[in-house]
Amino acid sequence: QVHLVQSGGEVKKPGASVEVSCKASGYSFMKYGITWVRQAPGQGLEWMGWINPYNRNTLYAHKVHHRVIMTTDTDRNTVYMELRGLRSDDTAVYYCARYDFDGRTFDYWGQGTPVTVSS
Amino acid sequence: QSALTQPASVSGSPGQSITISCTGTSSDVGGFNSVSWYQQLPGKTPKLIIFAVDDRPSGVSSRFSGSKSGNTASLTISGLQAEDEADYYCLSFAGSSAPWVIGGGTKVTVL
Repeated sequence: QVHLVQSGGEVKKPGASVEVSCKASGYSFMKYGITWVRQAPGQGLEWMGWINPYNRNTLYAHKVHHRVIMTTDTDRNTVYMELRGLRSDDTAVYYCARYDFDGRTFDYWGQGTPVTVSS
Repeated sequence: QSALTQPASVSGSPGQSITISCTGTSSDVGGFNSVSWYQQLPGKTPKLIIFAVDDRPSGVSSRFSGSKSGNTASLTISGLQAEDEADYYCLSFAGSSAPWVIGGGTKVTVL
């Protein structure tokens, strides 16, 4: 059974950094990508970026590309998303999701990690 | 990249069919057969209900169906039920340099 388990909620001050982890289980970790999507309170979904655990290739959305880093620890089947220079509009629930190359879709999602940015 | 365009809300009575549109461009929806739809119940994680335009993951009700014409994809919910009340999002592959675009979401209300 595929599971993506994310780290717990965070409260950060403006300008700080946050790192959210996403631990995968139940499938061959290197055969699927991991993507990150966030959702601000009361808003829609926003794609942030993607990492291929097999070769560590990444792609980031233009809006955050200068502030986000996605990494992977293949020994722990875990992906990390670090967002720097936090602003109040980064307050959101951050989701990781598995990317299926064949279906070009995000098929399984983590439970979400709320991040609050407040002074 | 610009978000895909969805209607803000759609409503219907129990038993009716409703259709949600998702309009993009030839660089995303129209260029690839890689449109997915997600259902997000209040306070819950998004759930995949359609992928590759019209495929359903196992376990998803056959009342959900997808289609595409040109730059517009559509999700149809037939035999609308109270449990279908949720937000629905479309997602499209958009090429290797800026790979995914997501619609703004549609709130479905069952009257």
